[in-house]
Amino acid sequence: DTGVSQDPRHKITKRGQNVTFRCDPISEHNRLYWYRQTLGQGPEFLTYFQNEAQLEKSRLLSDRFSAERPKGSFSTLEIQRTEQGDSAMYLCASSLRAGGTNEQFFGPGTRLTVL
Amino acid sequence: AQSVTQPDIHITVSEGASLELRCNYSYGATPYLFWYVQSPGQGLQLLLKYFSGDTLVQGIKGFEAEFKRSQSSFNLRKPSVHWSDAAEYFCAVGPSGSARQLTFGSGTQLTVLP
Repeated sequence: DTGVSQDPRHKITKRGQNVTFRCDPISEHNRLYWYRQTLGQGPEFLTYFQNEAQLEKSRLLSDRFSAERPKGSFSTLEIQRTEQGDSAMYLCASSLRAGGTNEQFFGPGTRLTVL
Repeated sequence: AQSVTQPDIHITVSEGASLELRCNYSYGATPYLFWYVQSPGQGLQLLLKYFSGDTLVQGIKGFEAEFKRSQSSFNLRKPSVHWSDAAEYFCAVGPSGSARQLTFGSGTQLTVLP
């Protein structure tokens, strides 16, 4: 399968702990996106990378959130000092910057539960 | 700022009936428009997309959508719904050119009755 993969699929943590999620995009895609989806809502944009450069961050991405894409391939999203409000599905997507179509392909998501 | 409105939170149809899911967008220029479907525990799967050209676009699983600029709408349709179509459907808009993030609507949950 050459789609977008995310690990872990589920994460349960206690409030105040740090968590890290990984996303592996489709191999030839140079753009990578993180979204957050809470229950009953559509995905909301968090941040995006073109190759290894983080080009845009949403105001939703507080100082406790950090994302990296060190070699322009996989990406990690870390949440420090988790809060119950961080409970959500974290989705990763990738796309190929070609022709400006920006068709994004999504992974299965990581569901985070903060107790 | 761009935005997407899906006015129907939940729709119930009988299997074999026709379906129309509504989507209205707000965007200053010509948008790129998408419909995604999400089944429980699954990621988002792209059903169809509109970039330019013919305003009636065909997608996978027998879905189609029509872009109406005058109404700022991009409604999703299917002539005959199957039980396997039960899922949540999201409309999204993205900027053209050096496109970046998508803006999603809040989704429409589809229930299919036998």
